[in-house]
Amino acid sequence: GENVEQHPSTLSVQEGDSAVIKCTYSDSASNYFPWYKQELGKGPQLIIDIRSNVGEKKDQRIAVTLNKTAKHFSLHITETQPEDSAVYFCAASKGTGTASKLTFGTGTRLQVTL
Amino acid sequence: DAGVTQSPTHLIKTRGQQVTLRCSPKSGHDTVSWYQQALGQGPQFIFQYYEEEERQRGNFPDRFSGHQFPNYSSELNVNALLLGDSALYLCASSFSTDTQYFGPGTRLTVL
Repeated sequence: GENVEQHPSTLSVQEGDSAVIKCTYSDSASNYFPWYKQELGKGPQLIIDIRSNVGEKKDQRIAVTLNKTAKHFSLHITETQPEDSAVYFCAASKGTGTASKLTFGTGTRLQVTL
Repeated sequence: DAGVTQSPTHLIKTRGQQVTLRCSPKSGHDTVSWYQQALGQGPQFIFQYYEEEERQRGNFPDRFSGHQFPNYSSELNVNALLLGDSALYLCASSFSTDTQYFGPGTRLTVL
């Protein structure tokens, strides 16, 4: 089955700096890659997603890049703010247009310091 | 527009007991997936319901079962609880896309 590895497990940046989280996946058939942000005591919140026919996607301060050949994808957060502090999860699925099971990475705890 | 809702928020059970968790999908969504999230880990897929039937299942034992109702809401049942079943149980809903929206979860503690 699919295996998703995520690193780093913890990341500390100063406010205003950029943060990058990287994930690799094992199943070349995976074609849908969402990123979730989870704050303490809450469920995961979708922040951005990308499909395999797209190499990069941006939404304000957040961007995701995908390298299908290398089977890795990354989350980039620019101009970080204290409210960006949370645990971030990458995931992969064999998207069929209807929700397929998501395989998650182990998470990255991002801390943005003042 | 209400998002995905789950009940109860917290639950404490003892080993061997049975538990039922509930999920109401986001308005307009017809597919419900359940995930188990152990402390410090990413969510693990349990199963998915669509049109009142289990459509996909992850690597979980038969002690884990579910149901989907005609209004698309869903239940997760766990029998013969083990200490290792202690986790945050998450429900996610979707409609005709790969995008899944998660609820706040139910924190289950097994003593």
